[in-house]
Amino acid sequence: EAGVTQFPSHSVIEKGQTVTLRCDPISGHDNLYWYRRVMGKEIKFLLHFVKESKQDESGMPNNRFLAERTGGTYSTLKVQPAELEDSGVYFCASSQSPGLDHHEQFFGPGTRLTVL
Amino acid sequence: GEDVEQSLFLSVREGDSSVINCTYTDSSSTYLYWYKQEPGAGLQLLTYIFSNMDMKQDQRLTVLLNKKDKHLSLRIADTQTGDSAIYFCAETFPSGSARQLTFGSGTQLTVLP
Repeated sequence: EAGVTQFPSHSVIEKGQTVTLRCDPISGHDNLYWYRRVMGKEIKFLLHFVKESKQDESGMPNNRFLAERTGGTYSTLKVQPAELEDSGVYFCASSQSPGLDHHEQFFGPGTRLTVL
Repeated sequence: GEDVEQSLFLSVREGDSSVINCTYTDSSSTYLYWYKQEPGAGLQLLTYIFSNMDMKQDQRLTVLLNKKDKHLSLRIADTQTGDSAIYFCAETFPSGSARQLTFGSGTQLTVLP
């Protein structure tokens, strides 16, 4: 079974440009999460999809970030326009439907975004 | 509060035990996790502990939880060079059906030969 995949693995763009990150979750996983790690600091939650719906987007830093999950399969995270402070590693994770018990989030390898 | 704190670096000799510590602030945490990140790879779940447990052992890994002090530790016995990685502790505090993870900054473990 394929794991969570992310594309691209690395993106270098100039300030003011637009970048779109893609995440393909594990097939059948309803839950999809985006996280970000900036400058070696903690990994911070950005948002959570349940199927195609945004369950929680409280971690999105500002309106320059737009996440979509049309059809409830893969997800994209667009940054427009990119700023220097957006540099970091963007992780995607997926999991099966959460219940009261533990459910594991499976992480992709991340996309390293560098904004110059 | 939602802060999770870890020391940034730890170096040990191959064959020794490693102990990575973590403190958290949210007493309503349900599950606490240890993730491992090797270079160029995603985060791999190593182990987790439910908040009503004090200890969990899984082969070379031992997790200790002190709820009173909000302190979590991961002990790796007989540390090997392949254990060199960044180790993140994380907690969940369910809000409705959302179960996002709150991570620490990660501890870079270096195993010296």
